[in-house]
Amino acid sequence: GENVEQHPSTLSVQEGDSAVIKCTYSDSASNYFPWYKQELGKRPQLIIDIRSNVGEKKDQRIAVTLNKTAKHFSLHITETQPEDSAVYFCAASRGGGGNKLTFGTGTQLKVEL
Amino acid sequence: GAGVSQSPSNKVTEKGKDVELRCDPISGHTALYWYRQSLGQGLEFLIYFQGNSAPDKSGLPSDRFSAERTGGSVSTLTIQRTQQEDSAVYLCASSQSGGSHTGYEQYFGPGTRLTVT
Repeated sequence: GENVEQHPSTLSVQEGDSAVIKCTYSDSASNYFPWYKQELGKRPQLIIDIRSNVGEKKDQRIAVTLNKTAKHFSLHITETQPEDSAVYFCAASRGGGGNKLTFGTGTQLKVEL
Repeated sequence: GAGVSQSPSNKVTEKGKDVELRCDPISGHTALYWYRQSLGQGLEFLIYFQGNSAPDKSGLPSDRFSAERTGGSVSTLTIQRTQQEDSAVYLCASSQSGGSHTGYEQYFGPGTRLTVT
């Protein structure tokens, strides 16, 4: 089955700096890669996703890049703000209705003032 | 519109007792998933429903775990003879389904925190 590895497990940045979180996956059939943000005690919130037919996607301060050859994808957050502090999870699936998500183990991001 | 809802939000039970957890998906979402999140860990897939059928139960940890879905909407996850290792947050998610260009995004409920004492 699919295996997703995520690094780093913790990340501390200064407000205004950029943050990068990286994930690798094992199943070459995976074609959908979402990122979730989870604040303490809250539900995971989908913040951005990418499908295998594109290499990069941006949404304001957040971007995701995908390298299908190398089987890795990354989350980039620019101009970080304190409210970006949370746990971020990457995931992978074969996409479409009915395909379970396999999650990475999460990255605790702390944005310091 | 209303998001995914789950009840109860917290459940404390004694070892050996049975528990039922409930999920109400987003209206119109035909796909429903259960995941488990242990303290400080990632999310672990348990089971997937398409309508009332469960084509993928591969994540259920043991035969003490079962789930059903009725009317293509509400789902219940039942854990029999609970053990301490069952303590976790149980999350439900739903998505649209149908075709290669839809049904990707999964939206999560707030979860049920289960504590087995």
